Amino acid sequence: GENVEQHPSTLSVQEGDSAVIKCTYSDSASNYFPWYKQELGKRPQLIIDIRSNVGEKKDQRIAVTLNKTAKHFSLHITETQPEDSAVYFCVLVGSQGNLIFGKGTKLSVKP
Amino acid sequence: GAGVSQTPSNKVTEKGKYVELRCDPISGHTALYWYRQSLGQGPEFLIYFQGTGAADDSGLPNDRFFAVRPEGSVSTLKIQRTERGDSAVYLCASSLTGISAGSTDTQYFGPGTRLTVL
Repeated sequence: GENVEQHPSTLSVQEGDSAVIKCTYSDSASNYFPWYKQELGKRPQLIIDIRSNVGEKKDQRIAVTLNKTAKHFSLHITETQPEDSAVYFCVLVGSQGNLIFGKGTKLSVKP
Repeated sequence: GAGVSQTPSNKVTEKGKYVELRCDPISGHTALYWYRQSLGQGPEFLIYFQGTGAADDSGLPNDRFFAVRPEGSVSTLKIQRTERGDSAVYLCASSLTGISAGSTDTQYFGPGTRLTVL
């Protein structure tokens, strides 16, 4: 069935450094790959997404890359700030539009 | 406009009791999803409504769980004979259409209901 693996599970960086989170998936017909950010005790919020006809997308300090042939996609955050500290989830879209979440990466940005 | 809302924000109950969790989606959104998030995990899909009908309930863990959306707007997730393992945050999300794997509709999440079964 559809499955997505995400790593690392935790990531600690110094403020100003870059952070990279990687995901691989199997058996997915998804053409849409969103990333959600969840701060402690808050709801998941969409931060960026990418469609399968695009290899890379950038929005200010956040960029995503997608290699559909190799079935992997990545999130890159540059010039990290303390407010970037949160759990980040890569996501597949299931056959009914349901979201299939990775296990999450807890990012800590140290000032 | 208003986002997705959920009530109650917290629910503490005793093992064996019945609970109802409510979700108010964004006005006009036809698709509504329920997810369950255990501590340290990503949300896991439970059930999906398109309008009033449950289009996919394959994520419901067993027959103690069921959900309704009688008028195509508000939804209620119902859990019978609660068990300690049901303790989790129950999240609701809605999207404008949400029809297929090819859909790029954004799903907007509510704040969740934290259920604790003692």
